[in-house]
Amino acid sequence: NAGVTQTPKFQVLKTGQSMTLQCAQDMNHEYMSWYRQDPGMGLRLIHYSVGAGITDQGEVPNGYNVSRSTTEDFPLRLLSAAPSQTSVYFCASRETGSGQPQHFGDGTRLSIL
Amino acid sequence: ELKVEQNPLFLSMQEGKNYTIYCNYSTTSDRLYWYRQDPGKSLESLFVLLSNGAVKQEGRLMASLDTKARLSTLHITAAVHDLSATYFCAAREGGADGLTFGKGTHLIIQP
Repeated sequence: NAGVTQTPKFQVLKTGQSMTLQCAQDMNHEYMSWYRQDPGMGLRLIHYSVGAGITDQGEVPNGYNVSRSTTEDFPLRLLSAAPSQTSVYFCASRETGSGQPQHFGDGTRLSIL
Repeated sequence: ELKVEQNPLFLSMQEGKNYTIYCNYSTTSDRLYWYRQDPGKSLESLFVLLSNGAVKQEGRLMASLDTKARLSTLHITAAVHDLSATYFCAAREGGADGLTFGKGTHLIIQP
């Protein structure tokens, strides 16, 4: 059971480039989320999904797009990378039901030059 | 808008001592989470607290929730070096998904 798998683990981009961060889970979880973690800021919610075909914005959605065509996958797209998007990105998923914790992937460390 | 504040943000303590990390949240939340993060690693779920007065314990860690005071605590008993990590609390606004995190408490336990 792989849990939540994020790829790539590291990436360096130039300003203006686009890319997709991949997130896949094999636990059949309906709920999936993307967070970014910056030093001294904790984690901030970017987008989330409560099931295939349903997504919504979190606290810091600008500059990012998501889609959820399957239960397993929840990719995060950077449309035109900016240095302010340099961060560690975490994907998480959880089971339906009260009080279920979110399970986090290992993160993608993204640097934008 | 839900806001979550932790204190202290940094804590250095000696092995064998007890200490408490505090987590305040600003609006009604229907659940409170505690996570641990080791340097360069992912987040590990420690506790989920669902109701007023909830108390959960695992080893030397105990978490509690007071929804009336909008306060959760993480108490460390007789700290050991292996508990050195960053601890986050997070809350969920009722009816929404996704969590609002505190900034984390960086805990160093000195032998």
